[in-house]
Amino acid sequence: GAGVSQSPSNKVTEKGKDVELRCDPISGHTALYWYRQRLGQGLEFLIYFQGNSAPDKSGLPSDRFSAERTGESVSTLTIQRTQQEDSAVYLCASSPPTGNEQYFGPGTRLTVT
Amino acid sequence: QQQVKQSPQSLIVQKGGISIINCAYENTAFDYFPWYQQFPGKGPALLIAIRPDVSEKKEGRFTISFNKSAKQFSLHIMDSQPGDSATYFCAAFQTGANNLFFGTGTRLTVIP
Repeated sequence: GAGVSQSPSNKVTEKGKDVELRCDPISGHTALYWYRQRLGQGLEFLIYFQGNSAPDKSGLPSDRFSAERTGESVSTLTIQRTQQEDSAVYLCASSPPTGNEQYFGPGTRLTVT
Repeated sequence: QQQVKQSPQSLIVQKGGISIINCAYENTAFDYFPWYQQFPGKGPALLIAIRPDVSEKKEGRFTISFNKSAKQFSLHIMDSQPGDSATYFCAAFQTGANNLFFGTGTRLTVIP
C-alpha cells in the first residue's frame, strides 16, 4: 500500500516568507508526527496528533510554527516569517491505532535564503 | 538534554565484517526501542525494534542486543554489505508519551 507522502519534496524560500508543508499519512493511521532534521543531526520532535484529541505542541520551537490536521487525514505544517535557522528537512510520520511503530515520509527539504 | 546517546558518529567497516552501533538512555520508563535506517534523500525506515523484556532480537543479518540494567542497547549488522551504507538512528519511546527520542545517528560506510 501507499506509504506516507509529503509535498513539496524541496522548497526554497526567502527569509521572512511563510511556507506550508503537507503530509498525507498512511490510510487508517490515527497518529501523526512532525519532526525536524537539521543537517547531520538526529530528529527533533515538533508536534503530535492523535485522532480528534488536542495536539501535543510541546516540541514547536517558536510561535512561528503551527500545524493542523483534518480528522485522521492530511496535516499541514506552517512556518511563518521563515528564518535561516529554519532550514532543515521536515519529516512526517504516522502510526497505526495499535503499536508504537512510526512510518516516515521522504521529508521536505526547506532552504531559507 | 539528549535523552538517547548514540555512538560512534561514523563507522567504516569492510564488506563481510560486523558493524556495531551503541546507544544509551537514562529514562527507565522507555519501553520500546526501534532502530531506523536512512539513505540520503529518504526518510528513516524502521529496521528492527525491541522491548525491554527480551535481551536480544534477531531479524536476518540485524540483531539488537539489550542490556536493561546498564540502560544500553546496540545494533549489530552481520556480514555487512556495501548496500548497508546508510545512517542509522536508535530511538526510544515511552508508552503513553507522544514522541520518539532519537539518537544523533551513525553514518555507516561499508567498503568492498
